[in-house]
Amino acid sequence: DTAVSQTPKYLVTQMGNDKSIKCEQNLGHDTMYWYKQDSKKFLKIMFSYNNKELIINETVPNRFSPKSPDKAHLNLHINSLELGDSAVYFCASSLPSLGRPRTQYFGPGTRLLVL
Amino acid sequence: DAKTTQPTSMDCAEGRAANLPCNHSTISGNEYVYWYRQIHSQGPQYIIHGLKNNETNEMASLIITEDRKSSTLILPHATLRDTAVYYCIVSGDSGTYKYIFGTGTRLKVLA
Repeated sequence: DTAVSQTPKYLVTQMGNDKSIKCEQNLGHDTMYWYKQDSKKFLKIMFSYNNKELIINETVPNRFSPKSPDKAHLNLHINSLELGDSAVYFCASSLPSLGRPRTQYFGPGTRLLVL
Repeated sequence: DAKTTQPTSMDCAEGRAANLPCNHSTISGNEYVYWYRQIHSQGPQYIIHGLKNNETNEMASLIITEDRKSSTLILPHATLRDTAVYYCIVSGDSGTYKYIFGTGTRLKVLA
């Protein structure tokens, strides 16, 4: 069974379009994250949700909007796609154990190419 | 900025132990040290974590210095499939538990 899954795996689209990436985890975790890995391979946190509540919101353009319909899902919607949005987007999840390690488990990534 | 520094790259002969160092001199008392690796462009894979004691699991061992300012990940018998970028991360409730990835160490296991 896949622990953290993302769809689609690949996404090729035109500038200006709106697209969504979906993430689901079956680990029973309460906290989910979105990361972006750019062409230089830097991995950066974008957002984090705990039990459907936004807890981390890094400096990300307003065109990016995460949505968590329930604690097992965290989707990423991107409006007005730009060339610079081309990257690999990773979803992750963890347990929100207070004072204990929050090991994150990552999905396989969604490769977004904006033309 | 990442709170860790790692060498950019390392080579290791197949079958030998790979020792990957990490400096985290500004680590806080409640922050854990985590190690992940990324093979090609797959999702980062969890390896091991620790607070202050040394840890071992089926994948690797983690040695943390007494002052907690540095650590070493040990892959006891490296194989070609261990070729990857290895990331050392410190994280705890002082930073909302978020991970800040550095550039990692690119480990190449040589046949």
